[in-house]
Amino acid sequence: EAGVAQSPRYKIIEKRQSVAFWCNPISGHATLYWYQQILGQGPKLLIQFQNNGVVDDSQLPKDRFSAERLKGVDSTLKIQPAKLEDSAVYLCASSLGFPTDTQYFGPGTRLTVL
Amino acid sequence: AQTVTQSQPEMSVQEAETVTLSCTYDTSESDYYLFWYKQPPSRQMILVIRQEAYKQQNATENRFSVNFQKAAKSFSLKISDSQLGDAAMYFCAYTGANSKLTFGKGITLSVRP
Repeated sequence: EAGVAQSPRYKIIEKRQSVAFWCNPISGHATLYWYQQILGQGPKLLIQFQNNGVVDDSQLPKDRFSAERLKGVDSTLKIQPAKLEDSAVYLCASSLGFPTDTQYFGPGTRLTVL
Repeated sequence: AQTVTQSQPEMSVQEAETVTLSCTYDTSESDYYLFWYKQPPSRQMILVIRQEAYKQQNATENRFSVNFQKAAKSFSLKISDSQLGDAAMYFCAYTGANSKLTFGKGITLSVRP
């Protein structure tokens, strides 16, 4: 069974530029999550989708971050414009659908903002 | 709000020995689940073990086992016969029926050959 796929694996941009990350969840998983992990910390949830609807985006900086999950499968996370403090690893995870289901993570995208 | 605390930032173990990683949590929910995730330098989060709060029996997965003390809100991970490949960051995490997955700050485990 294929795992969660993410691309790109690494991205370096300058501040004020825009960037987009892509995630393809495990087949059949209804719930998709985007996390931000700053070096030395645990992941922090940015947004949670159930199929193609948003369940929780309370910690998403909506002035610069946006995310969508068209057709309830793939998802993209965009940052525009990027700030230095956005440097982090962005992890995508998916689960079957219930809140207590195990989440399976992708390899992450390491973003460096210069 | 639910919190997860991992108070030890680093630990070291000799290869083939046993090590225990500590975790405590705080919650008012009665139905919840606890996890240990491993994150090697590649940064991919890998599920190590999962424990349902309603189960009294401690979860085990090969060389990995937990000591779940519900009353004390403690959830430690024991790694037996430590291997070089066990070196990584380990995160304790909590999720409830009405709450999102919350991670601790993590602990860096090194394995000495």
